[in-house]
Amino acid sequence: KNEVEQSPQNLTAQEGEFITINCSYSVGISALHWLQQHPGGGIVSLFMLSSGKKKHGRLIATINIQEKHSSLHITASHPRDSAVYICAAPRGPDKLIFGTGTRLQVFP
Amino acid sequence: DVKVTQSSRYLVKRTGEKVFLECVQDMDHENMFWYRQDPGLGLRLIYFSYDVKMKEKGDIPEGYSVSREKKERFSLILESASTNQTSMYLCASRRRGQRPNTEAFFGQGTRLTVV
Repeated sequence: KNEVEQSPQNLTAQEGEFITINCSYSVGISALHWLQQHPGGGIVSLFMLSSGKKKHGRLIATINIQEKHSSLHITASHPRDSAVYICAAPRGPDKLIFGTGTRLQVFP
Repeated sequence: DVKVTQSSRYLVKRTGEKVFLECVQDMDHENMFWYRQDPGLGLRLIYFSYDVKMKEKGDIPEGYSVSREKKERFSLILESASTNQTSMYLCASRRRGQRPNTEAFFGQGTRLTVV
């Protein structure tokens, strides 16, 4: 069993739909990372959160430390949101372990 | 604007060649990482460096070596490239801290094909 698991692996949506991507982890953590990878390959950090909820534009990330679960929500999805979304948990003070990613495609 | 820069976006190499992938960061970060990314497997750590000339094996170091002679530069070396090393390679850097909640910065990736 992977230490960090994401679901679903693939997701398609129509423009405007509300999107939810889930991440469950088995390790004890103090913070979880959400990352975005566009088709070009580069990865950018979206959120780091250790409790509650964070919001940036149409993206919302929530975490429940007790249940070891985090969700990434996209409101009013748009084709430019099409990307791979990856969650990552710390392994020790320096390293990260990654989920396998969720490939999102939003169609006009 | 902070940057992690990888030397190539795309590379095609022949089996048996020695391959160098270069990564440079301008944020004075102590920690640098090399990952490979394969479909269905996510990012897997090849090597990690926490200081100049210091390195630590990751989860899949076989067939790879690394070099960190300067703080800003971390090189991944494929001593004798093989077809099963065809993959996307990503470099990352991160400030070292006591709390594991510092942001990681990634390069744009190098898609390596070994023929």
